Amino acid sequence: DTEVTQTPKHLVMGMTNKKSLKCEQHMGHRAMYWYKQKAKKPPELMFVYSYEKLSINESVPSRFSPECPNSSLLNLHLHALQPEDSALYLCASSQTGSSGNTIYFGEGSWLTVV
Amino acid sequence: AQSVSQHNHHVILSEAASLELGCNYSYGGTVNLFWYVQYPGQHLQLLLKYFSGDPLVKGIKGFEAEFIKSKFSFNLRKPSVQWSDTAEYFCAVNAGSGTYKYIFGTGTRLKVLA
Repeated sequence: DTEVTQTPKHLVMGMTNKKSLKCEQHMGHRAMYWYKQKAKKPPELMFVYSYEKLSINESVPSRFSPECPNSSLLNLHLHALQPEDSALYLCASSQTGSSGNTIYFGEGSWLTVV
Repeated sequence: AQSVSQHNHHVILSEAASLELGCNYSYGGTVNLFWYVQYPGQHLQLLLKYFSGDPLVKGIKGFEAEFIKSKFSFNLRKPSVQWSDTAEYFCAVNAGSGTYKYIFGTGTRLKVLA
């Protein structure tokens, strides 16, 4: 079983809605990630937090807003999404610092924008 | 920029056949290499990883991979596949130390016929 927990597993939202995806890990990892995965495609990096600070933003539209309240939690706030944003959103975590860190994924949140 | 290529997009094998999935990356420096598997409807799971040392790496479920630095390759192998190996396989590269960018290949969809 994955030690990265994501909620909700499924989410359907309208284009004017505001919703949030949540992620939690208790492995003591200090790097947390959001990836987006479309069907039959590889995961694409969106954001990386390191020690609760935003480290990487892969030019993600502002309708996606990440938040890292503490070292165990990562949120992705969603607002005014488009149907093409429908995808599997994966949270992941890893240790930080030296090379050789393995990234561990959660089961993902399936998002459908209608 | 780093990139990862998986040349086999779809592979169909009969049970007990041998498997080799290709993965090539483009990056001249030190890399950390991973193979992940995604069973239908499930999350990405780590199969094996290479950080340093013995270039022949053994993972879970009888999988192994060989890092050939001169060929920038990290091919995945299994001597005898099972029906339960039906899944999508992703190669991933993390370049050097202190970077949080894990680049995924496009994936290989493996179907094993019983």
